[in-house]
Amino acid sequence: DQQVKQNSPSLSVQEGRISILNCDYTNSMFDYFLWYKKYPAEGPTFLISISSIKDKNEDGRFTVFLNKSAKHLSLHIVPSQPGDSAVYFCAARSNYQLIWGAGTKLIIKP
Amino acid sequence: DAGVIQSPRHEVTEMGQEVTLRCKPISGHNSLFWYRQTMMRGLELLIYFNNNVPIDDSGMPEDRFSAKMPNASFSTLKIQPSEPRDSAVYFCASSSGTANTGELFFGEGSRLTVL
Repeated sequence: DQQVKQNSPSLSVQEGRISILNCDYTNSMFDYFLWYKKYPAEGPTFLISISSIKDKNEDGRFTVFLNKSAKHLSLHIVPSQPGDSAVYFCAARSNYQLIWGAGTKLIIKP
Repeated sequence: DAGVIQSPRHEVTEMGQEVTLRCKPISGHNSLFWYRQTMMRGLELLIYFNNNVPIDDSGMPEDRFSAKMPNASFSTLKIQPSEPRDSAVYFCASSSGTANTGELFFGEGSRLTVL
């Protein structure tokens, strides 16, 4: 029973264009949603988060959108850069627990 | 600032051997998490400590796995005896508590291979 789903295992985007990574969830009790980025042979690193009472949070090139009625969130990266190539994990917080999606591998093409 | 420090980075061992993974959380963080990452199951929470006390160990696969946190700056995850299906990357993460956004700081992981 996956509470957090990232349905796209991979995504390929041209450098300079917008990357959109999607995440769906089932539990209405999640209070925070987070995006993490992971390079090979490294641990995940925090990228951006959003409270369940907001619908948008922006930090530089990264914007997270939350649609509570659809139980859907997305991460927009614009413009995409080669260094953005990584695996992106969506996570949702319930109490102390983070429930993780399976990740989406983003490939930025030069 | 030192991040979460894990050792060893890589461990190759034979089935039946004991494996001990170590973690030093970020100073001042009072929550510590052990995760396991595999291709099949993704990131799984094994155990969560708060103020050195195990709060939730429901993710520990079986009795072969044990974790301790004797003080605020050190934790171990032990597997005894190890089996090939334990091969995975084990991550330790820490945070400053549940009042924040839930951001965890991860170590670089310990890649375990059990032959």
